[in-house]
Amino acid sequence: AQKITQTQPGMFVQEKEAVTLDCTYDTSDQSYGLFWYKQPSSGEMIFLIYQGSYDEQNATEGRYSLNFQKARKSANLVISASQLGDSAMYFCAMRESNTGNQFYFGTGTSLTVIP
Amino acid sequence: EPEVTQTPSHQVTQMGQEVILRCVPISNHLYFYWYRQILGQKVEFLVSFYNNEISEKSEIFDDQFSVERPDGSNFTLKIRSTKLEDSAMYFCASSRDRLSNQPQHFGDGTRLSIL
Repeated sequence: AQKITQTQPGMFVQEKEAVTLDCTYDTSDQSYGLFWYKQPSSGEMIFLIYQGSYDEQNATEGRYSLNFQKARKSANLVISASQLGDSAMYFCAMRESNTGNQFYFGTGTSLTVIP
Repeated sequence: EPEVTQTPSHQVTQMGQEVILRCVPISNHLYFYWYRQILGQKVEFLVSFYNNEISEKSEIFDDQFSVERPDGSNFTLKIRSTKLEDSAMYFCASSRDRLSNQPQHFGDGTRLSIL
């Protein structure tokens, strides 16, 4: 089974609107971390936001917030007030405490912000 | 803000040749990683390294690959006898520790092209 599933290969959003990028995960660990990374066309991987499995509050980081629904095993990224510079690939990733320290990545969502 | 640096940014190599990809992790980080991303695909874990030895590796990381920390700052990935299918973006990452809440900070990647 896939550890991380991102079901939206591509998304479009109007500039200044909000957009939600979906991510579901699969783990039997009680302690884990969920991360979102942005990959612009230039290729680098930029860390955006983190959510811990024991965190009761949804993480927020500027215009990024994470809609964490533990029972559903989902960790959706919400980008508010989209900007043209938000156009990029977005990857959801998970790190489990008990099974090593590698990151498991999803297949990514390509976001295009339309002016 | 400190960052992970990778050199070169692009490497073109003939099939069958050896290649060494170089990385300088963030200076106070203790855990180092290599990942691979074949064009259009997700990021895949290759290996993690701690205390001068491999702590975890994936099935991709076979005898063709090796890692080394030759001095106090560099972390290298060597690929022996390269194959066409080794063409990919290779990312180095580092983290301060292996707690699940710690993000891994990625370099900008080395794009490896095997001819």
